[in-house]
Amino acid sequence: DAGVTQSPTHLIKTRGQQVTLRCSPKSGHDTVSWYQQALGQGPQFIFQYYEEEERQRGNFPDRFSGHQFPNYSSELNVNALLLGDSALYLCASSLAQNEQYFGPGTRLTVT
Amino acid sequence: GQSLEQPSEVTAVEGAIVQINCTYQTSGFYGLSWYQQHDGGAPTFLSYNGLDGLEETGRFSSFLSRSDSYGYLLLQELQMKDSASYFCAVRVGAGNNRKLIWGLGTSLAVNP
Repeated sequence: DAGVTQSPTHLIKTRGQQVTLRCSPKSGHDTVSWYQQALGQGPQFIFQYYEEEERQRGNFPDRFSGHQFPNYSSELNVNALLLGDSALYLCASSLAQNEQYFGPGTRLTVT
Repeated sequence: GQSLEQPSEVTAVEGAIVQINCTYQTSGFYGLSWYQQHDGGAPTFLSYNGLDGLEETGRFSSFLSRSDSYGYLLLQELQMKDSASYFCAVRVGAGNNRKLIWGLGTSLAVNP
C-alpha cells in the first residue's frame, strides 16, 4: 500500500515564475492538506481540499492556489514566486478528519 | 490569535527520560497531536490526545490537560535514533473545517 507521494522532490525556480507541485494521497484517503515549512520552523497550513473543493485556508495570499482531482490527488500552484517562497512543501492526506499522513515533501528553492 | 509554545531545544543522554511540554491558546480545540520529524524528512504521527489523561504507545506517552491548555510528550529509554524535532499540533475547527495549528518544534539531541 503506497503512502503519500509527492513530485518533484526538488525544484529550483526564478523569482516571478510559476510552479506546480503534485500530491497523491494514501490509498483510501479523501482529504488533502498542504503545508509550507520554512527552515527551522513548524509547518504552516496553506489549505485543505475535500470533495474537490477548498474547505479551509490558512493565511496565504491568492498567489497560492490548488486543485483536487476526482481520484483525490491534488496540485499546489504558486504564481509570481518570491524568494520567501523557498521552503519545504508538505502534502498530508487523511480519511475525512482523522490523522494526517505526510508525504516526503517538495523542496522549492527560488533564486 | 492561536499559538502554541514548546521549548526550542532539549538535550538528553541515551537511556534517559525526557519530557517535552506544549502549552496552547486556540479556539475550537478538538485535540492535541504530536509528530516527529527527522532532518530532511516528513513529519510522522506519534500520538493524539482528545481527552484529558495519559496515552501510552511503547516508549512514548502523551498527556493532556484541557483545563490547563497544556500537554506533554514523554520519551523513555531514549535512543540515538530519537534525535529529531518534535512538534505539538492542535486540531481546531469542526467537521470538514478541521485543521492543524503547529508549534515551532523542539529539537531533541540524544547524546551517548
